[in-house]
Amino acid sequence: AQTVTQSQPEMSVQEAETVTLSCTYDTSESDYYLFWYKQPPSRQMILVIRQEAYKQQNATENRFSVNFQKAAKSFSLKISDSQLGDAAMYFCAYRGQGGSEKLVFGKGTKLTVNP
Amino acid sequence: EPEVTQTPSHQVTQMGQEVILRCVPISNHLYFYWYRQILGQKVEFLVSFYNNEISEKSEIFDDQFSVERPDGSNFTLKIRSTKLEDSAMYFCASRPDRGNQPQHFGDGTRLSIL
Repeated sequence: AQTVTQSQPEMSVQEAETVTLSCTYDTSESDYYLFWYKQPPSRQMILVIRQEAYKQQNATENRFSVNFQKAAKSFSLKISDSQLGDAAMYFCAYRGQGGSEKLVFGKGTKLTVNP
Repeated sequence: EPEVTQTPSHQVTQMGQEVILRCVPISNHLYFYWYRQILGQKVEFLVSFYNNEISEKSEIFDDQFSVERPDGSNFTLKIRSTKLEDSAMYFCASRPDRGNQPQHFGDGTRLSIL
């Protein structure tokens, strides 16, 4: 079974600085998708960014980018120019191909942004 | 932008009672999911639903749980004989088809069992 590990329960960053959240995963599949979801205190689940495993190019969405290392099974999220509104729980998630294509989540990293 | 809608936002129920959580997925989506998040823990998959039947369920999804798509728009999760440990946030999600489309989540229903 696939597993997702987020080794940083909590992280903090100064406003306008850059922070990187770590995620590793375990799978025997060669084709899959990876996601970062943001969960603010309101507890919504908001998609931040996604990466297809077959794409070598790292995904970017404005201030958010990923460092996808397929061989190392690593998928880190970089947040540049951090803003107070970035404060939230961040969940890394894996989705395989075939079957129901359910999401497998990590335990999350709580990000605090200090003014 | 279309959204997944969940009702109610908060449900308080006595232990042993039945509860139905409701979801309206995005209209052209074909795959539907329920996830659970116990306070302070990670989000866990419960069940997926496609073509009017369960396509996969986790070990959490035992006989106490059932899902239904009673009409063309609603997708419900029923929990029979609720237990204290069923207290959690329940998220509904939907996705249009296979491929690289992500799941879209609703805002969740917070279920409190007393």
